[in-house]
Amino acid sequence: DAEITQSPRHKITETGRQVTLACHQTWNHNNMFWYRQDLGHGLRLIHYSYGVQDTNKGEVSDGYSVSRSNTEDLPLTLESAASSQTSVYFCASSALRVHGGELFFGEGSRLTVL
Amino acid sequence: SQQGEEDPQALSIQEGENATMNCSYKTSINNLQWYRQNSGRGLVHLILIRSNEREKHSGRLRVTLDTSKKSSSLLITASRAADTASYFCATEGGSQGNLIFGKGTKLSVKP
Repeated sequence: DAEITQSPRHKITETGRQVTLACHQTWNHNNMFWYRQDLGHGLRLIHYSYGVQDTNKGEVSDGYSVSRSNTEDLPLTLESAASSQTSVYFCASSALRVHGGELFFGEGSRLTVL
Repeated sequence: SQQGEEDPQALSIQEGENATMNCSYKTSINNLQWYRQNSGRGLVHLILIRSNEREKHSGRLRVTLDTSKKSSSLLITASRAADTASYFCATEGGSQGNLIFGKGTKLSVKP
């Protein structure tokens, strides 16, 4: 069965360190997304990609970057982790770009920045 | 910016009762989606309703959409303890039409 997997599921890091969260999907979807989920804010879009070599900023992109070198993977990098980036991060993919694209989510990566 | 806002924030009911959650949004939409999230898990798509539809059913789920009031409701009939989860509405927003999620309704169904 097709799936979307995130790793690591849990990570603790220190302020200032670089962190990369991996996202791998086997749906063969062109569209991939990164959201963060915080109490009181719901899910907020960080970055998204509509295909290889395409990346776009979302609502809360400062301090984050993504790269898309193949269809399956969209790693999220925190260049210099800050305590404000402590959150649960979700990767998602969809077949349709807009107007009805159901999102398929990974199980999340819980990041704690000390 | 949040496009959809769910109401209530939390809902506690007994097994067998119906649960109704509401979602209000601000701008015109092409469709609205509902997702479910079990504690510690990712979101799972439940149902999509298009702007030209007024009601849609899927099993025990009934979704309505009132574009004149910019609101949608999700009804879960004959709820079960396994329905305990958070429920989110999502609408298209932003220049690229990406999904924007509300803050969710936390549903607790007591056995």
